[in-house]
Amino acid sequence: DVKVTQSSRYLVKRTGEKVFLECVQDMDHENMFWYRQDPGLGLRLIYFSYDVKMKEKGDIPEGYSVSREKKERFSLILESASTNQTSMYLCASSTRQGGNGNTIYFGEGSWLTVV
Amino acid sequence: LAKTTQPISMDSYEGQEVNITCSHNNIATNDYITWYQQFPSQGPRFIIQGYKTKVTNEVASLFIPADRKSSTLSLPRVSLSDTAVYYCLVGDLYNFNKFYFGSGTKLNVKP
Repeated sequence: DVKVTQSSRYLVKRTGEKVFLECVQDMDHENMFWYRQDPGLGLRLIYFSYDVKMKEKGDIPEGYSVSREKKERFSLILESASTNQTSMYLCASSTRQGGNGNTIYFGEGSWLTVV
Repeated sequence: LAKTTQPISMDSYEGQEVNITCSHNNIATNDYITWYQQFPSQGPRFIIQGYKTKVTNEVASLFIPADRKSSTLSLPRVSLSDTAVYYCLVGDLYNFNKFYFGSGTKLNVKP
């Protein structure tokens, strides 16, 4: 089974703090994603990466940055956390090969509260 | 990108068959239809995927008519543990970054 592991399930941070959310996948997937999920808004893509050191902005990149130094690891960084970044963050991965049966695999989520 | 429309919520009782329909009028030739299930405080997980006609696995069936403008996820004999949000996604399988998740359908299974 594909495993996408997010390092922290629950975090509480103060406004202005720098926050790192870490994600590791064990399936040698090329693509990795960071989403946030808020009630009534579904999942929204923040950033994705299709290869090491490569990144592309998603729908809501403002206030976030990402790092992908190794293929299996994708980090989401909040340079200066704000209360409107309180949310559940989901990491995901997929292959780049396409074709029937290809899908995206999600981690368990990280609940971030900024106070 | 093909947007999808699905009911916001549905109620059912244990043991019933549940059918959730998704509308995707602008589906493209290369697009597949994929359904995910999400329990509270967990990430979505893959249920089933198809391109046309009918697909069945150990969890669900997916019915896709010839024009592919809609699809129906069928859950046989639901139990309380099937209470979750179900998402219908449409897109080619090379560009998951373009998948639109929306709000899904909240299925509430009652005893």
